[in-house]
Amino acid sequence: QQQVKQSPQSLIVQKGGISIINCAYENTAFDYFPWYQQFPGKGPALLIAIRPDVSEKKEGRFTISFNKSAKQFSLHIMDSQPGDSATYFCAASPFSGGYNKLIFGAGTRLAVHP
Amino acid sequence: DTAVSQTPKYLVTQMGNDKSIKCEQNLGHDTMYWYKQDSKKFLKIMFSYNNKELIINETVPNRFSPKSPDKAHLNLHINSLELGDSAVYFCASSHSSGSYEQFFGPGTRLTVL
Repeated sequence: QQQVKQSPQSLIVQKGGISIINCAYENTAFDYFPWYQQFPGKGPALLIAIRPDVSEKKEGRFTISFNKSAKQFSLHIMDSQPGDSATYFCAASPFSGGYNKLIFGAGTRLAVHP
Repeated sequence: DTAVSQTPKYLVTQMGNDKSIKCEQNLGHDTMYWYKQDSKKFLKIMFSYNNKELIINETVPNRFSPKSPDKAHLNLHINSLELGDSAVYFCASSHSSGSYEQFFGPGTRLTVL
């Protein structure tokens, strides 16, 4: 059973456009929702993360929107650039005892065309 | 200056062999993880150690055995390798207090022939 569902699988956006990736989760014990960016041949790197006590978090061109009642969260990339082309993973975890067990979505391959 | 490093980067081996992947972090973290990324890029946690103690052990075949000699190292030993073990294995680390962020290594691509 997939606990974190991510869509779309792939996304093509023109340079300067907005990229939107959506995730939904089932486990109400989740209290940490990060987005990771992965370039080919590299490990995932944390892009931005949110806790459920806020509905939105913005860092530069990247924004997470969080809807606790709907159990959904999304990543918006404003003014998308070719350098943003990568695979994006949402994740969720409960945080207990000093460690977090990240449950990842299936990933979205983003291509930003010049 | 690499924060989380893994060796080797590539590992090609025959079915039935035993192999190890090493991970080291210099971030001063006390929690380390192993993840498996399959051919469809799906990432799944396998194990986690906190201060050398096993704290997460997902449903992984017992052919996989992690070992943490100290807080900065977490190795993964795999016995009797099977074709289905082919994947990219990522090590990650985090601190048990403060930030939730996990830092990932560059990955080890394991190919079983």
